[in-house]
Parts: sequence; structure tokens; C-alpha cells
Amino acid sequence: QQQVKQSPQSLIVQKGGISIINCAYENTAFDYFPWYQQFPGKGPALLIAIRPDVSEKKEGRFTISFNKSAKQFSLHIMDSQPGDSATYFCAASMLSGTASKLTFGTGTRLQVTL
Amino acid sequence: DTEVTQTPKHLVMGMTNKKSLKCEQHMGHRAMYWYKQKAKKPPELMFVYSYEKLSINESVPSRFSPECPNSSLLNLHLHALQPEDSALYLCASSQTGTRNEQFFGPGTRLTVL
Repeated sequence: QQQVKQSPQSLIVQKGGISIINCAYENTAFDYFPWYQQFPGKGPALLIAIRPDVSEKKEGRFTISFNKSAKQFSLHIMDSQPGDSATYFCAASMLSGTASKLTFGTGTRLQVTL
Repeated sequence: DTEVTQTPKHLVMGMTNKKSLKCEQHMGHRAMYWYKQKAKKPPELMFVYSYEKLSINESVPSRFSPECPNSSLLNLHLHALQPEDSALYLCASSQTGTRNEQFFGPGTRLTVL
């Protein structure tokens, strides 16, 4: 019940195209869904996050779509650029004591080609 | 300042050595985390400190010993590690409570020979 399933494992998109990464969860106790971007040799950096009472959130070229009834959420990267080439992790968070506990998806390696 | 710093960047140690990883943040966060990340895998939670007290230990072997000396610092003491412990060790911090972003440091790349 703690798992977050993420697909695809890897993705190749042409410059200017749309990158779509999907995630699904089981535990309804999760109450916050962040996406992290990680470049090789660096720590993950928060890209965008959504609460389960919102169906969509957009920040620049990045959009999260959230379907609470299906327990699924996805990241759309519009106008993908070579600089977006990185590994993307979806995550789901729940309160554990007084701190938030993140459960990560397995990651998607995105390559944006010229 | 929204930065989490970690030292050292790289560490090579033998199986009999004792070493420590350090993490620091000045964002006023009262929750701090240690994660372990193997290549091509997501970060795995190891420990959580909340208000300088250990609140979560994800069944981590005792050769890893965390310490939170104050609200800005987090250490991970390493002793008698195994080669399979080689990984990127990430520190993160956040506000306490729910729906708060975790800020990650750049990590320490650990190699155990």
C-alpha cells in the first residue's frame, strides 16, 4: 500500500514535443504529490507539487494532472528542451508523526533530442 | 537561503574505517532526513529527525548512526560498512507538518572498499 508506481521507465522526446510521465498510488492517506527532477550527481530538486483537492496545477511548461478517484497523477512537460533531460521522480507524501514521509516512484529517465 | 549543504562531496573508506557525513541547513526547518540512493534507483528513506529527536528509523543497520546536534545540523556516523553500502547519501530538510516541500542537498558519494 506504500508503493507509488511510475511509468515509463525511460522516455525519448524530440525538442519541442510533449513529455508525459504517469504515476499511480494505492494509499489514500497520501496528501501531497510532488515531482522531483534530478540531474546526474545532484540531489533531487522539487519541480512542482499538487494537493489531492486540486485536479490540475500549471507552472510554466510543467503541468500536473491529478485524478483522485483513479488514484493517478501525471506530469506533462510542454515544449520539451534538451536541458530538461534528467531523471524525474513522482512522490507521494503523508504525515508521519510531525514530519512528512515521502514515497518515491521508480523514476523516469527523460532524454530530449535535438 | 534555501540551501542544504553536505560534506564531504565524495568519500572513500575501508570496511574498518569510521567516518561521518555532515549536513547543514539554515532555513529554520525542524525536520531533517537521511536518504540512501543507489544508481538508477529512487532515494530510500533511512532516518527522520523532528525537533532534533529521531522520529523514524527505517530498519537501518546499526553500522549507520545518525545524530542531530542542533536544529541546523545532521550527522551520519559510519562504522564497519560493507561494499554494498556504496551509494549517494542525501540529506533533506523541511518544515514540520504536512504538505511541506523537502529540500535536498547535493549528496555525498560514498565508496566502500
